[in-house]
Amino acid sequence: KNQVEQSPQSLIILEGKNCTLQCNYTVSPFSNLRWYKQDTGRGPVSLTIMTFSENTKSNGRYTATLDADTKQSSLHITASQLSDSASYICVVSFPADSWGKLQFGAGTQVVVTP
Amino acid sequence: EAGVAQSPRYKIIEKRQSVAFWCNPISGHATLYWYQQILGQGPKLLIQFQNNGVVDDSQLPKDRFSAERLKGVDSTLKIQPAKLEDSAVYLCASSGRPGQAYNEQFFGPGTRLTVL
Repeated sequence: KNQVEQSPQSLIILEGKNCTLQCNYTVSPFSNLRWYKQDTGRGPVSLTIMTFSENTKSNGRYTATLDADTKQSSLHITASQLSDSASYICVVSFPADSWGKLQFGAGTQVVVTP
Repeated sequence: EAGVAQSPRYKIIEKRQSVAFWCNPISGHATLYWYQQILGQGPKLLIQFQNNGVVDDSQLPKDRFSAERLKGVDSTLKIQPAKLEDSAVYLCASSGRPGQAYNEQFFGPGTRLTVL
């Protein structure tokens, strides 16, 4: 069973609208939680990184939240643009003494339509 | 700063053939990773190098996959012989500081392998 579960698997939104992606994890303890954006045919690119003591982190129109008690994270996209069409992957990093090993979710495929 | 380079970008082979992928990490990055990403899934770590030594290859199918990192810089990943289930994108990533809380990994564009 994957230790990082994401929902929904995919979603379609209209340009200009907001959306929220969910991530539940069971990895414990962990060093930090990351959200990556992966455009089609490209490698993942980091959007946000949060330690277990941080509740929220923003990067432009992207805002990530973390609840370490419930082991849940969300990524909120505000005023979506066509360029936001991509897969968004939730990633949990194991503690520092494990050489920075990452556990990836399967991703949420977002399609923004005009 | 140049990013992680990978080649080729695409490769189509028949099952039982051999294939090799090449990765050039970001200059100065000590840690290099090879991931396998099957369509619709997140990347799965195959092997992790620290300089030219292996620190994790627990998920590498060693009967058919091999990897090396030459002089602690470039790396090659080889599959011999390939199976249909090896069809995937092979991602290379590198990071600069092992053991740090923010061990940022930078990914290359990947090599898309199709096995017929």
